Amino acid sequence: QEKVQQSPESLIVPEGAMSSLNCTFSNSASQSIWWYQQHPGKGPEALISIFSNGNKKEGRLTVYLNRASLHVSLHIRDSQPSDSAVYLCAVSMIPGGNYKPTFGKGTSLVVHP
Amino acid sequence: DPKIIQKPKYLVAVTGSEKILICEQYLGHNAMYWYRQSAKKPLEFMFSYSYQKLMDNQTASSRFQPQSSKKNHLDLQITALKPDDSATYFCASSWGGAVQNTLYFGAGTRLSVL
Repeated sequence: QEKVQQSPESLIVPEGAMSSLNCTFSNSASQSIWWYQQHPGKGPEALISIFSNGNKKEGRLTVYLNRASLHVSLHIRDSQPSDSAVYLCAVSMIPGGNYKPTFGKGTSLVVHP
Repeated sequence: DPKIIQKPKYLVAVTGSEKILICEQYLGHNAMYWYRQSAKKPLEFMFSYSYQKLMDNQTASSRFQPQSSKKNHLDLQITALKPDDSATYFCASSWGGAVQNTLYFGAGTRLSVL
């Protein structure tokens, strides 16, 4: 069973700052890592994914994956109050061919004006 | 317009009763899932279906039974409800079961068992 740990549990940053969120997973064979954003009362929404070691940038989001250290991070540049939400890290591998991403507990991000 | 419709949004039930949570997706996906989110716990995988066939079941209890009457429907029947079943239940879908595929979630059904 894949284990996914996220840190910090909560993060408060001023508007315009960089927000950095961390996620560690238990299995280096994990195939893909996704970051989801969840606003109160809503379902998670996919933000960005990474499948290979290294980094990937999309707009204000950058994700870094280091399989050797079983670590992935999400960085949000120029954070906005609208970025305030819970961010979920999801990791998947397919032992036996079934796709069932495992989620962490999330990081609650608050961006204050 | 929401592409994954979950009904009802809120549900209150008494211990021992039975409820059905409805999920319909209009994304044309062939894979559908149920996840549960309880307070202080991560999203927990329950079931996955592909082309209306059960692919994986991670629930320990037979009280939870998914039902797929159409390829874009995956309902969840819960019998003999217990207070511990109180949670938000999310339906999700994707294009097949490959690791590159994005999960799309509904808004959830918040179940409270008294």
